[in-house]
Amino acid sequence: QKEVEQDPGPLSVPEGAIVSLNCTYSNSAFQYFMWYRQYSRKGPELLMYTYSSGNKEDGRFTAQVDKSSKYISLFIRDSQPSDSATYLCAMNSGGYQKVTFGTGTKLQVIP
Amino acid sequence: EAGVAQSPRYKIIEKRQSVAFWCNPISGHATLYWYQQILGQGPKLLIQFQNNGVVDDSQLPKDRFSAERLKGVDSTLKIQPAKLEDSAVYLCASRWDSRDEKLFFGSGTQLSVL
Repeated sequence: QKEVEQDPGPLSVPEGAIVSLNCTYSNSAFQYFMWYRQYSRKGPELLMYTYSSGNKEDGRFTAQVDKSSKYISLFIRDSQPSDSATYLCAMNSGGYQKVTFGTGTKLQVIP
Repeated sequence: EAGVAQSPRYKIIEKRQSVAFWCNPISGHATLYWYQQILGQGPKLLIQFQNNGVVDDSQLPKDRFSAERLKGVDSTLKIQPAKLEDSAVYLCASRWDSRDEKLFFGSGTQLSVL
């Protein structure tokens, strides 16, 4: 079993839709959870970062963490064509521990 | 603030040749990572440096891959000899230190081994 599992996609939605991206993990030591967005031929860029269980909102993006279920989600409201990218979940247990990434979900928002 | 710089942007080599990638992290960032990202997969950690010391190289194929960060600033990743399965994007990332979880990535070097 992989430490981090991510819905493979690809996901295609119409502009304005609500998008839900999900990851599960098996390592209960993970404490820090991140979502990265990666455009084609670019490096990943940090989108959301959270430590605790619950929701964290930033504009149209909401990150949700449920440590009891080992499940994290990223919601995108009012999706835009510019949101078309691959979304990677990432997590680690803090300190010098490595950051482990999911395989990524490719999202396409159709105008 | 300048981002993480990587070069070259693209590299095409034949199998059994050698290749080197360079990374300059964000100024002041103590921790530097090299990740390998194969098409359709998430980044996989190859090696992690804290200043000029290696923290984690458990997934680095040491028979062919080597990396150094001699002065605790920029870093070089080398592959010798390259195999077909080394075709991937090699990403460099840095972060302030172990208390800051946010990684900042460069644009990567896309390697094609023919």
